[in-house]
Amino acid sequence: KNEVEQSPQNLTAQEGEFITINCSYSVGISALHWLQQHPGGGIVSLFMLSSGKKKHGRLIATINIQEKHSSLHITASHPRDSAVYICAAEYNNNDMRFGAGTRLTVKP
Amino acid sequence: GAGVSQSPSNKVTEKGKDVELRCDPISGHTALYWYRQRLGQGLEFLIYFQGNSAPDKSGLPSDRFSAERTGESVSTLTIQRTQQEDSAVYLCASSLVGGLGQPQHFGDGTRLSIL
Repeated sequence: KNEVEQSPQNLTAQEGEFITINCSYSVGISALHWLQQHPGGGIVSLFMLSSGKKKHGRLIATINIQEKHSSLHITASHPRDSAVYICAAEYNNNDMRFGAGTRLTVKP
Repeated sequence: GAGVSQSPSNKVTEKGKDVELRCDPISGHTALYWYRQRLGQGLEFLIYFQGNSAPDKSGLPSDRFSAERTGESVSTLTIQRTQQEDSAVYLCASSLVGGLGQPQHFGDGTRLSIL
């Protein structure tokens, strides 16, 4: 069983919609990463959180340490946001465990 | 600015051959990570280097896999006697320092295909 669970696996939205991707992890972590993988395969690190909330442009990431849960939100979604979004949990031994990813398609 | 550079971008080889993949991290980054992504699957952690410390090899899938890093510069990931299940994209990432949730900067990956 994967230690990091993401939902949904696939998400289709219309341009302008508010999007939420969820991530749950099973044990205590030192940090939670959100990554974006483009159709060509390149990966960009979006956020790294250990508590609270971070915002960058239309992207917002939150984490609840007690509930072992993080969310990635995209406001006013755009077709260029179409990508696979990956949640990764980093543990104190620098080991990382990755979720299976959420494939987001935003239609114009 | 210069990001993480990986080479080759693509590699096709026959089963049983050895392959060597290279990663040039961002200058000044002390931490370097190797990951693997098989087709249709998520990322797998392989190995982590932090400065001159002994690397964390806990993610290497078998003894056919090894990696080296000279100081805080280039790293090579070597796969000996390749098998078809080794076909994947191998990603390298670096961060300024390791651990404690430091942001990682990823290279474009090496797409390895074993015939």
